[in-house]
Amino acid sequence: QVQLVQSGAEVKKPGASVKVSCKASGYTFTSYDINWVRQATGQGLEWMGWMNPNSGNTGYAQKFQGRVTITRNTSISTAYMELSSLRSEDTAVYYCARYYDPRGTFDYWGQGTLVTVSS
Amino acid sequence: DIQMTQSPSSVSASVGDRVTITCRASQGISSWLAWYQQKPGKAPKLLIYAASSLQSGVPSRFSGSGSGTDFTLTISSLQPEDFATYYCQQANSFPHSFGQGTKLEIK
Repeated sequence: QVQLVQSGAEVKKPGASVKVSCKASGYTFTSYDINWVRQATGQGLEWMGWMNPNSGNTGYAQKFQGRVTITRNTSISTAYMELSSLRSEDTAVYYCARYYDPRGTFDYWGQGTLVTVSS
Repeated sequence: DIQMTQSPSSVSASVGDRVTITCRASQGISSWLAWYQQKPGKAPKLLIYAASSLQSGVPSRFSGSGSGTDFTLTISSLQPEDFATYYCQQANSFPHSFGQGTKLEIK
């Protein structure tokens, strides 16, 4: 069965960077884009960016341009999202999600990774 | 960017009730709309895609309709496990924006 398993919770200081991993299994990793979505406590869902694991091509929301980088390691079917210059407002749960292009939907999601930014 | 607006932001209902949630896009998105359910501490779950198509495994009491800019999600007879937050998402163009969510609470 399709699974996306993310790395564990992180606590970071303001100005630092965080790198969250998302390991895919149960399907061909290079056949579906991976997207990243975040959710601050009690807030809605905010799309951050996407990556095509086959080509490595990426696209980012304007809000995160210059601060976010999505990469992958196809040999271990893992995607990564790195966010730099962290500030308190970046405290949130970060989700990876598989993107099913024909329908434009996120059909499978990781369990989420809580990133806390605090001095 | 396309803005998605849901209403109401919260709704109280009882088991067995019929509930409708509305989502409006800031510009036409044809039928490129999905609905998700999210329970506390869990990832969102895809319910409906292409505005009205039920994702595999989703109970038939969930239905979606609409096209262009106005969409609805209807739950025909609420079950205890349906109390959650619901989000719409436009799939017409990137960024694939979400609505702000509708929290469905027990009355």
